[in-house]
Amino acid sequence: QKEVEQDPGPLSVPEGAIVSLNCTYSNSAFQYFMWYRQYSRKGPELLMYTYSSGNKEDGRFTAQVDKSSKYISLFIRDSQPSDSATYLCAMSARSDDYKLSFGAGTTVTVRA
Amino acid sequence: DVKVTQSSRYLVKRTGEKVFLECVQDMDHENMFWYRQDPGLGLRLIYFSYDVKMKEKGDIPEGYSVSREKKERFSLILESASTNQTSMYLCASSHYRDGNQPQHFGDGTRLSIL
Repeated sequence: QKEVEQDPGPLSVPEGAIVSLNCTYSNSAFQYFMWYRQYSRKGPELLMYTYSSGNKEDGRFTAQVDKSSKYISLFIRDSQPSDSATYLCAMSARSDDYKLSFGAGTTVTVRA
Repeated sequence: DVKVTQSSRYLVKRTGEKVFLECVQDMDHENMFWYRQDPGLGLRLIYFSYDVKMKEKGDIPEGYSVSREKKERFSLILESASTNQTSMYLCASSHYRDGNQPQHFGDGTRLSIL
């Protein structure tokens, strides 16, 4: 069993819809959670970085962490075609961990 | 902006060849990483370096070696390329003082071994 599970999709939504992405994990020591966005033929870039449980909002993006369920989510409101990308979750046990555990990534297409 | 540059976007090599993938970062980051990215498997860490001439194995180091002679440059070496090393290779760097996050990625080298 992988340490981090992420549904690869693909996910296709109409413009303006809410996109919901999630990851589950098995290591209860994970406390730091990240979402990276990767456009086609580009490297991943950090989108959201959260610590422990709770919500974090940044513009149209909201990251949620539920440590009791070992489940994290990323919501994209008012989705745009420019949000079409692969979204990867990543996590670590300590803030200074160099080694991250990544999900496989979910490919999202937002249709105009 | 941090820039991580990988020398080749696409590379085609033959089985048994020695292959060099080069990566350069321009932000004086202490940490540099090599990952491979395969469909359904996500990013897997091959090697990590936290300083010049220092390296640590990641999750899948077999068949690979690395070299870091200068702080800004990190090379991945496939000693004798095999077809199962066909993949997308991503280099990343990060600043130790930032708590190692975020990692800044290059745009990848798509390597095909024939």
